[in-house]
Amino acid sequence: AQKITQTQPGMFVQEKEAVTLDCTYDTSDPSYGLFWYKQPSSGEMIFLIYQGSYDQQNATEGRYSLNFQKARKSANLVISASQLGDSAMYFCAMREGLGAQKLVFGQGTRLTINP
Amino acid sequence: EADIYQTPRYLVIGTGKKITLECSQTMGHDKMYWYQQDPGMELHLIHYSYGVNSTEKGDLSSESTVSRIRTEHFPLTLESARPSHTSQYLCASTTAGNGYTFGSGTRLTVV
Repeated sequence: AQKITQTQPGMFVQEKEAVTLDCTYDTSDPSYGLFWYKQPSSGEMIFLIYQGSYDQQNATEGRYSLNFQKARKSANLVISASQLGDSAMYFCAMREGLGAQKLVFGQGTRLTINP
Repeated sequence: EADIYQTPRYLVIGTGKKITLECSQTMGHDKMYWYQQDPGMELHLIHYSYGVNSTEKGDLSSESTVSRIRTEHFPLTLESARPSHTSQYLCASTTAGNGYTFGSGTRLTVV
């Protein structure tokens, strides 16, 4: 079963608009972490934001914020005031529990910002 | 400046050749990972390591092998490359599981 689900294969947004990228997850472990990464066409993975399962506040990093709804098991990424340079693939990922701390990824969303 | 290094960045090689993809990190992280990613697709974990002399297979079956003789070094080897191995390979590391650092990746093409 897919542990991380991103249901938007592609998103098209006008420059300066806000955009929300959806992510739902599935785990029975009470301790987990949720991550968002940006992958431009060059292929590297750029860390954007992290939310721990016990964190009370939603995480924010500059123009990025994570809308964490624990009961719904969703961790949507919100990008405010989008820029042309935001065009890229975006991946949601989850780390379960302790131990190996493997990171499991969703299918990704390709975001295109139009001028 | 990158704290985790992957070489080569691009590799085109013939079928049947043996190849080793290098991954080194300078952060002293104990856990390291190899992911395989086809263009525009999700990342799949193929190998990971808890620490020196510890290696495990990931969720996606792979014909590659890994070793972890030193904390900072986690190379991936393909004994006999095939066109089906054409993909991008990404190395990552962490210590506490709340921050993962990725290398720039190796784009492998087997012809």
